[in-house]
Amino acid sequence: GEDVEQSLFLSVREGDSSVINCTYTDSSSTYLYWYKQEPGAGLQLLTYIFSNMDMKQDQRLTVLLNKKDKHLSLRIADTQTGDSAIYFCAAQLNGGYNKLIFGAGTRLAVHP
Amino acid sequence: DTEVTQTPKHLVMGMTNKKSLKCEQHMGHRAMYWYKQKAKKPPELMFVYSYEKLSINESVPSRFSPECPNSSLLNLHLHALQPEDSALYLCASSRGQADGEKLFFGSGTQLSVL
Repeated sequence: GEDVEQSLFLSVREGDSSVINCTYTDSSSTYLYWYKQEPGAGLQLLTYIFSNMDMKQDQRLTVLLNKKDKHLSLRIADTQTGDSAIYFCAAQLNGGYNKLIFGAGTRLAVHP
Repeated sequence: DTEVTQTPKHLVMGMTNKKSLKCEQHMGHRAMYWYKQKAKKPPELMFVYSYEKLSINESVPSRFSPECPNSSLLNLHLHALQPEDSALYLCASSRGQADGEKLFFGSGTQLSVL
């Protein structure tokens, strides 16, 4: 089955760029997502990318997809303290059931 | 209205209690989901309803009983839970259940079983 892996922790200085990485195993995954979770809250959809795209940009967020290596990254430009949260990568299993497999989450800590 | 509303936000129950979690959305979405998230872990899918019919049950124990009374509401009935069932229970909805339909999550119910 699909397996999604992420590094567990990232610390950056305010104003710098953050890059969160994710790898997945099922090359047939057609949609890949990034969700943000703040303490005690649900998951907020940040962005997604379709598997036939290499890059998607949305304001401060840039998603890069290397389909050959099954590697996905999320770059946050000008990282702010409000960006401190856990970021989940999720891959959609093929099959028409819209089932997402989540990575373990990367905790992003932004310090002054 | 782009919200998925879950109640209650927090719930403490004993192992012999019966309780229910509620989820509501008014986005006209026809697919609704229950996820379970243990502390410091990713969410795991429990159930999916599509057009008010149960379409996926991820081999969840029968002490969890989902119900979808109409297209806007999703309940999760709890009975005879175990302490290891303590977790954050997240509801989500999407326009449909086809591939690529984006999931919108509620804030969750933090459940503690004593």
